[in-house]
Amino acid sequence: GAVVSQHPSRVICKSGTSVKIECRSLDFQATTMFWYRQFPKQSLMLMATSNEGSKATYEQGVEKDKFLINHASLTLSTLTVTSAHPEDSSFYICSASDRKGGEKLFFGSGTQLSVL
Amino acid sequence: GIQVEQSPPDLILQEGANSTLRCNFSDSVNNLQWFHQNPWGQLINLFYIPSGTKQNGRLSATTVATERYSLLYISSSQTTDSGVYFCAVGLIRYNTDKLIFGTGTRLQVFP
Repeated sequence: GAVVSQHPSRVICKSGTSVKIECRSLDFQATTMFWYRQFPKQSLMLMATSNEGSKATYEQGVEKDKFLINHASLTLSTLTVTSAHPEDSSFYICSASDRKGGEKLFFGSGTQLSVL
Repeated sequence: GIQVEQSPPDLILQEGANSTLRCNFSDSVNNLQWFHQNPWGQLINLFYIPSGTKQNGRLSATTVATERYSLLYISSSQTTDSGVYFCAVGLIRYNTDKLIFGTGTRLQVFP
């Protein structure tokens, strides 16, 4: 199946700093990628849809100025958590669809963010 | 908004037992996937099954889209089956590929 690579897998940062997470589709082009977050023992919640060459679409309740999304190429989307605070600590997962395989979504391995 | 409810929320089995996990959704879908999330957080694709029945080894899944539910069957469970199982749906009215995840079923299989 299609491969989605996410980096870093784990990051620890101080409160007030910004953190960038990368999501790459390795063997296919993805015009659309999706970003999710997951708190411990909870389900995945969709944060935003990342569109190549245009602005991201954010789900209700997600602060677009805090979670900056850039999708500058067909294989790379980035999520930047700006001025991170302890409540932003969470597991962030990206996904992308390989249109050749229908509408199946493939997921990265996730990034565990811990804000001290 | 869309409701994607999974049952049971928790399931404890002894190795070798069979189980059925259920996913109910409240809107018309054009995509439904089942995932297994391992202890490291990785989501593993089990099935892409917007309708019909599929089987893969000890696992099989059935989606009845007209009645808005899907079932995941695990036969002869093994300790490695432990983890959280999610269904996720894509809605026809969204007109995108985004998936909405269900509430999850946490499975523990003991030897």
